[in-house]
Amino acid sequence: DTAVSQTPKYLVTQMGNDKSIKCEQNLGHDTMYWYKQDSKKFLKIMFSYNNKELIINETVPNRFSPKSPDKAHLNLHINSLELGDSAVYFCASSPGLDPYEQYFGPGTRLTVT
Amino acid sequence: AQRVTQPEKLLSVFKGAPVELKCNYSYSGSPELFWYVQYSRQRLQLLLRHISRESIKGFTADLNKGETSFHLKKPFAQEEDSAMYYCALKYGNKLVFGAGTILRVKS
Repeated sequence: DTAVSQTPKYLVTQMGNDKSIKCEQNLGHDTMYWYKQDSKKFLKIMFSYNNKELIINETVPNRFSPKSPDKAHLNLHINSLELGDSAVYFCASSPGLDPYEQYFGPGTRLTVT
Repeated sequence: AQRVTQPEKLLSVFKGAPVELKCNYSYSGSPELFWYVQYSRQRLQLLLRHISRESIKGFTADLNKGETSFHLKKPFAQEEDSAMYYCALKYGNKLVFGAGTILRVKS
């Protein structure tokens, strides 16, 4: 059983397009996260939601908009994609607000051409 | 500002050799630190946390507040230890990750 799943696994798109990445967790966790891993493998948090409420919103361009329709899902929508958005995006979840016991998804590799 | 530094991008050792993956942190409060690992084609997962003071897969890490370090150690490296290792600092409701160190264990 997949604990944290992301779709799609790979996404290749052109500059200027709008795209979404979906994340779902079946662990019953209350908190979900989005991370960006850049080409140098640096992993940085972007957003987190607890019970559908935004609790972490790092310095991220407002072209990035997370949406949590329920606590099992956290989607990431990106408008007007730029070359610099190319990265691997990881979703994660944790039981509560304590971030340490996070379960990560497999990642979505986004390539903007 | 809180920061986690992993100075080595790549650490290559022979099987059976000791391993030390370095991690230094910058944080004004009482730190809570972790090591995460990502094996090839697998998800990033928690390896250990300093509070539990346990040994996982032969790895240990001791928090040294004087040196602001949390180095990950293993006395005898195995090939299956080859992976990307991230040191992380808990800061409020989030984790601040270091840049990661790739460990390659050669036979």
